[in-house]
Amino acid sequence: EVVLTQSPLSLPVTLGQPASISCRSSQSLVYSDGNTYLNWFQQRPGQSPRRLIYKVSNRDSGVPDRFSGSGSGTEFTLKISRVEAEDVAVYYCMQGKRWTFGQGTKVEIK
Amino acid sequence: EVQLVESGGGLVQPGGSLRLSCAASGFTFSRYWMHWVRQAPGTGLLGVSRISGDGTNTDYADSVKGRFTISRDNAKNMLYMQMNSLRVEDTAVYYCARDDLWGQGILVTVSS
Repeated sequence: EVVLTQSPLSLPVTLGQPASISCRSSQSLVYSDGNTYLNWFQQRPGQSPRRLIYKVSNRDSGVPDRFSGSGSGTEFTLKISRVEAEDVAVYYCMQGKRWTFGQGTKVEIK
Repeated sequence: EVQLVESGGGLVQPGGSLRLSCAASGFTFSRYWMHWVRQAPGTGLLGVSRISGDGTNTDYADSVKGRFTISRDNAKNMLYMQMNSLRVEDTAVYYCARDDLWGQGILVTVSS
């Protein structure tokens, strides 16, 4: 079973500054079709999760371009280039085939 | 409008049963794997179960295997989760989800 480990679990950030979240997998997430099914979700307080990034680096429709995803194999990163107040949320990485989630990273404003 | 709407949650005693429903609209429901994900109070997300578009393939988290059954009715655009032998630790908000589309969630509370 794939285990996803996120770090840090809490991330205080100054408005306008960048933020970076790491997600490490216990095994390679490259699927048999050659795709890597690693997604990122945002869950704002009191809301349902919202997918931001799919297959490592593809932004969903309506997601601001300050969000970007990268990585390969077992190591992945979500970056926010300049944090805004509306980015306060918990962010989860997720293995998109078996729907295994990381523990979540809480982004808050310093 | 493309949306998922859950119903059927509530308060149930340990050992009891509940059936969650999820009404899908605005997309070709039968084309998609569908999922139930839960979130216990103050915790993260757990994929509980999933079902293929034609309903022939299902999968369950170990913690619910043998107690929960996922099903779907593609003619009615409905997803279901039959939950039996409920435990206190099943208390959570349950979300119906497609890859990029989630419902608003429904609270299930298991308590005596």
